[in-house]
Amino acid sequence: KQEVTQIPAALSVPEGENLVLNCSFTDSAIYNLQWFRQDPGKGLTSLLLIQSSQREQTSGRLNASLDKSSGRSTLYIAASQPGDSATYLCAVGGGSNYKLTFGKGTLLTVNP
Amino acid sequence: SAVISQKPSRDICQRGTSLTIQCQVDSQVTMMFWYRQQPGQSLTLIATANQGSEATYESGFVIDKFPISRPNLTFSTLTVSNMSPEDSSIYLCSVDFWLAGGSDTQYFGPGTRLTVL
Repeated sequence: KQEVTQIPAALSVPEGENLVLNCSFTDSAIYNLQWFRQDPGKGLTSLLLIQSSQREQTSGRLNASLDKSSGRSTLYIAASQPGDSATYLCAVGGGSNYKLTFGKGTLLTVNP
Repeated sequence: SAVISQKPSRDICQRGTSLTIQCQVDSQVTMMFWYRQQPGQSLTLIATANQGSEATYESGFVIDKFPISRPNLTFSTLTVSNMSPEDSSIYLCSVDFWLAGGSDTQYFGPGTRLTVL
């Protein structure tokens, strides 16, 4: 059974800092890996999607890497802003059934 | 992309009652999913709902407790039956959507926050 762990559970940083969120998973036979952002009352927003054959994806100030063999992914956020404050969720796609297994998330607070 | 709406956005219910949550998508999709997020926990998949067939439930979830309808390619409902305080959660629907370039992703609705007293 796939298990996804996210570290740290919470993170508070001053505005402008670069930061890294970590995600690990137990079964390396994945279909893809996604990073989501969850804002209260607004559901989940997909940030980056990495296919199992890819090593990283970038979107603006966000960069996500994937190391399947070690079961790890990182989300790098450059020059953090107060608007980045949210819960960040890592989810692993398990194959043809499209099932996503989620971590518990990292609650990020960026202080002005 | 896909835009998903859910009704209600939140509700407070008495134990022993049932609540039906609606999920509407602005485009036709084959696969819809229902997730539960209990307080302080990760999202857990309840079931997969394909139009024209019975929903497929994950381990620990049963049809009698969480009946699902999927009458067409843009709509689904999840009913939480005979509720207890342990059912207090956020319930989210999502759809699998194919992107240009051949990859797929899931889009999520805003969620329904359920409190059972």
